Amino acid sequence: DIQMTQSPSSVSASVGDRVTITCRATQDINTWLAWYQQKPGKAPKLLIYAASILQSGVPSRFSGSGSGTHFTLTISSLQPEDFATYYCQQANNYPFAFGPGTKVDIK
Amino acid sequence: QVQLQESGPGLVTPSETLSLTCTVSGGSVSSGSFYWNWIRQPPGKGLEWIGYIYYTGATNYSPSLKSRVTISADSSKNQFSLTLRSVTAADTALYFCARAEVALDYWGQGSLVTVSS
Repeated sequence: DIQMTQSPSSVSASVGDRVTITCRATQDINTWLAWYQQKPGKAPKLLIYAASILQSGVPSRFSGSGSGTHFTLTISSLQPEDFATYYCQQANNYPFAFGPGTKVDIK
Repeated sequence: QVQLQESGPGLVTPSETLSLTCTVSGGSVSSGSFYWNWIRQPPGKGLEWIGYIYYTGATNYSPSLKSRVTISADSSKNQFSLTLRSVTAADTALYFCARAEVALDYWGQGSLVTVSS
């Protein structure tokens, strides 16, 4: 099975900061990667799919890049509503594993 | 607008069977090249993909749960369901249903299931 890792596991940042989260797969998944944002008690929200395509309605301050085994999610200027946990997920092979998550909180 | 809503018991006895249903509106579980998924999240932990049923009726499950899981669909009610047998406390989680085409784009709000006697 493909395993996903994320780093860092948590990051403290301020409004306006640039935040980058890394996701790695144990096998080549091409660009079959999605990013989700989850707030406490809520369902995850799709931000990016196919590694770099912004889901409709998601602010352009979110961007994704990468292919193969190394991917990044960048928030160019952190906003108050962006404090949340972010998960990557591979969709190349079953089972569709999620990364362990990265919590972005207020510095 | 596609909407999904989970329903089912909030409390299940250990060794018994957990059953949840996801009712879909604004889309059809039997058409459209979509995958209808179940995902769970234990309290304070990360997301775990459980499995899906494709619009054709084909299914795929996580190997770690495959021996205990069945996902089925009822096109007449536009619902799909999760059955998890022989549950233990480790199956206590918030259970989500979600639609996928290339990613999980529509989610239900989640249904908390506690396994306890």
